[in-house]
Amino acid sequence: AQRVTQPEKLLSVFKGAPVELKCNYSYSGSPELFWYVQYSRQRLQLLLRHISRESIKGFTADLNKGETSFHLKKPFAQEEDSAMYYCALSPLHNAGNMLTFGGGTRLMVKP
Amino acid sequence: DAGVTQSPTHLIKTRGQQVTLRCSPKSGHDTVSWYQQALGQGPQFIFQYYEEEERQRGNFPDRFSGHQFPNYSSELNVNALLLGDSALYLCASSSPKTGRETQYFGPGTRLLVL
Repeated sequence: AQRVTQPEKLLSVFKGAPVELKCNYSYSGSPELFWYVQYSRQRLQLLLRHISRESIKGFTADLNKGETSFHLKKPFAQEEDSAMYYCALSPLHNAGNMLTFGGGTRLMVKP
Repeated sequence: DAGVTQSPTHLIKTRGQQVTLRCSPKSGHDTVSWYQQALGQGPQFIFQYYEEEERQRGNFPDRFSGHQFPNYSSELNVNALLLGDSALYLCASSSPKTGRETQYFGPGTRLLVL
């Protein structure tokens, strides 16, 4: 069984401050990790995934298999980053690619 | 392309009733997954349909069932509704042709059971 934990329900920072949204997972096999974001009144959408190793809207995330973590980081937060963020895991070699989500972290960026 | 669409947007039912939720996948997608999102929690996987068959199922009772049609659209049925079934039900579509892992979500159907 797999599990994703996001320890912070709410993270509040000032504009221009660094941001780190924490995500820890447990899974015995090879996982693929994702970050999904939901802006106000919008649908859930993919922000980034570890396999692509890309930076989206200034956000990056590195898979640390030793610590079983996939923290989301951004050096300088913007007000438009305020949203709900979900970390998710999918078994890498599973054809069904079901997603297991964490409970989510609400990021509030204050002016 | 309107992306993934779901109907209805909101629904109110009473305990013991049955409900059917509908989902149309994004154009070109052939796989549909359903998720339940209770208030204040992350989405939880219910099941996934591919080629009109249930391919994978999460930890949900048999009261939750589904169907996929030849045009890839899908239905989620819930029988004998309980108060605890009140949630936002999300549909997501994907296609092996565009990347196994990328799931596109619909806006959801909010179900309230009284």
